[in-house]
Amino acid sequence: DAKTTQPPSMDCAEGRAANLPCNHSTISGNEYVYWYRQIHSQGPQYIIHGLKNNETNEMASLIITEDRKSSTLILPHATLRDTAVYYCIVRPSRVKAAGNKLTFGGGTRVLVKP
Amino acid sequence: DAGVTQSPTHLIKTRGQQVTLRCSPKSGHDTVSWYQQALGQGPQFIFQYYEEEERQRGNFPDRFSGHQFPNYSSELNVNALLLGDSALYLCASSSDTETGDKAFFGQGTRLTVV
Repeated sequence: DAKTTQPPSMDCAEGRAANLPCNHSTISGNEYVYWYRQIHSQGPQYIIHGLKNNETNEMASLIITEDRKSSTLILPHATLRDTAVYYCIVRPSRVKAAGNKLTFGGGTRVLVKP
Repeated sequence: DAGVTQSPTHLIKTRGQQVTLRCSPKSGHDTVSWYQQALGQGPQFIFQYYEEEERQRGNFPDRFSGHQFPNYSSELNVNALLLGDSALYLCASSSDTETGDKAFFGQGTRLTVV
């Protein structure tokens, strides 16, 4: 699986948009970008994923550059409950019998401040 | 839908002992993965079970073993416990029939080896 690089930490003001960058310059054509977050003392939670088009759901938006070497997760209106570690993960689309493990890096520790 | 449930939530064991952790996947999911998360680090993949067989394995010694039952629930066994096995153990379930192949995580079992 391709390696990802994320800033170790960032602060965000409550109510403002939080933009979380991720570099994945070695991503290959069949690999998706997934984002998970882990709130303190809880299991990771799926946020969003994409292949090459921008994606949006009720939690966040995912912007993937045209060359797919980087992406940005956008939390449109950050709340205190969004304080968590955010993980950017790249992995292939599921191939039956091959497994679909997630390879976590260090993530970005996001602190939303009042 | 209860989601992914893990038991017990906390456990204290003595070095050299054996431990069994349990996981019930989200309803409709047939694949169970186990992760180890040391303090301050991202989760590390241990192994994945599908159709009652180990399909994928991470870089963990043979002291770590598992099992999946016909109802898709799973156990993680760790023999000859070491102090370094102290960690949060996370179970994740998924299904290749679910759009996006998202993994859903349980709250984890906090294992302390003394």
